[in-house]
Amino acid sequence: DADVTQTPRNRITKTGKRIMLECSQTKGHDRMYWYRQDPGLGLQLIYYSFDVKDINKGEISDGYSVSRQAQAKFSLSLESAIPNQTALYFCATSDLEDRSDEQFFGPGTRLTVL
Amino acid sequence: AQKVTQAQTEISVVEKEDVTLDCVYETRDTTYYLFWYKQPPSGELVFLIRRNSFDEQNEISGRYSWNFQKSTSSFNFTITASQVVDSAVYFCALSEIGNYGQNFVFGPGTRLSVLP
Repeated sequence: DADVTQTPRNRITKTGKRIMLECSQTKGHDRMYWYRQDPGLGLQLIYYSFDVKDINKGEISDGYSVSRQAQAKFSLSLESAIPNQTALYFCATSDLEDRSDEQFFGPGTRLTVL
Repeated sequence: AQKVTQAQTEISVVEKEDVTLDCVYETRDTTYYLFWYKQPPSGELVFLIRRNSFDEQNEISGRYSWNFQKSTSSFNFTITASQVVDSAVYFCALSEIGNYGQNFVFGPGTRLSVLP
């Protein structure tokens, strides 16, 4: 089984709808992240969490919210989806004990907002 | 502030050619890590290598090799005898040590197309 899983893998929705993307991990890592990928822009950080009680905004948090329900679960919500939020979304984890902060990625969720 | 530049947006080569993907980074830290990830057409991110700032030895893994030069702040990636399966987007990334908060920064990626 994959260490970092994301659901759904693909989602098509309409403008104005509320969407939740979910991430679960079995790696036992404290740190979890949500990234967004747009063509030619690499990965941009939306939110990150270093433990259950710690939530931090990344560089592009506007229009998004997150919830860290447990050490293993980190959800990303789009409260009112808009077309420019169409992108590939990645969840990642890293180990607090790893000085390099190496990121372990889920398979990605492809979101299309019509 | 930290920054990763991958100046080559897209590269096309013919199978069996060698190709080098450039990565230049900026950081004020003396301790940091550099990474390369591969993203094939299927979309997942595949870890390729991690290198810390104190280890400037070049590394070779099969057809892949990496050249780390602190003097020029570069961490270039070479694929020898490229194959069609090497077609992907390749990301270079930088992680600084000791800062609480966002440490991990990706470059914009280089799309490599290997033609048969």
